Amino acid sequence: SQTIHQWPATLVQPVGSPLSLECTVEGTSNPNLYWYRQAAGRGLQLLFYSVGIGQISSEVPQNLSASRPQDRQFILSSKKLLLSDSGFYLCAWSVTPEGGNTIYFGEGSWLTVV
Amino acid sequence: GQNIDQPTEMTATEGAIVQINCTYQTSGFNGLFWYQQHAGEAPTFLSYNVLDGLEEKGRFSSFLSRSKGYSYLLLKELQMKDSASYLCAVQDSNYQLIWGAGTKLIIKP
Repeated sequence: SQTIHQWPATLVQPVGSPLSLECTVEGTSNPNLYWYRQAAGRGLQLLFYSVGIGQISSEVPQNLSASRPQDRQFILSSKKLLLSDSGFYLCAWSVTPEGGNTIYFGEGSWLTVV
Repeated sequence: GQNIDQPTEMTATEGAIVQINCTYQTSGFNGLFWYQQHAGEAPTFLSYNVLDGLEEKGRFSSFLSRSKGYSYLLLKELQMKDSASYLCAVQDSNYQLIWGAGTKLIIKP
């Protein structure tokens, strides 16, 4: 069966510090990979998605970046965090079966920028 | 623009039935999803509808009317563990998910 893991689960970072969140998927090949952010009490915002190694699409302008160095690895980074980067970050994966592109989420990472 | 509307919050009683509505306006339609999200946790997949009608999965059912741009999630025999947010999402013509802000469901004993 397929599993997805992301880490770290929680982190507190000072403004201006770098960020690296990692996500790996097991049990499937060539998945679509996603990074979402969910601010407190708000809906899910798609940040990046990837359909293959080295292929990254950005949905919103921001100081974040994403990379996919391996088929089942997705990394979210920032060189300098802002207070507004605080939130719940979710990695997700999907394949594209005929029945729909169901997205499955990792456990999430809580980021607090202070 | 693309838009998903669902109530912000609902309250129901343990053992009762509750219906959470979702209306949408999107560029194309390739299916509608419902997810459950407990506080502080990631969303988990509940249901997928692409054709009109009712899909039943145990205590949960999901209904879709494409002509009306409308769906609902029906929860029967409510349990305290059903207290969570319920997210409606529509897959547009590019297979991208458009998310609603979620409905927080509060279950009272």
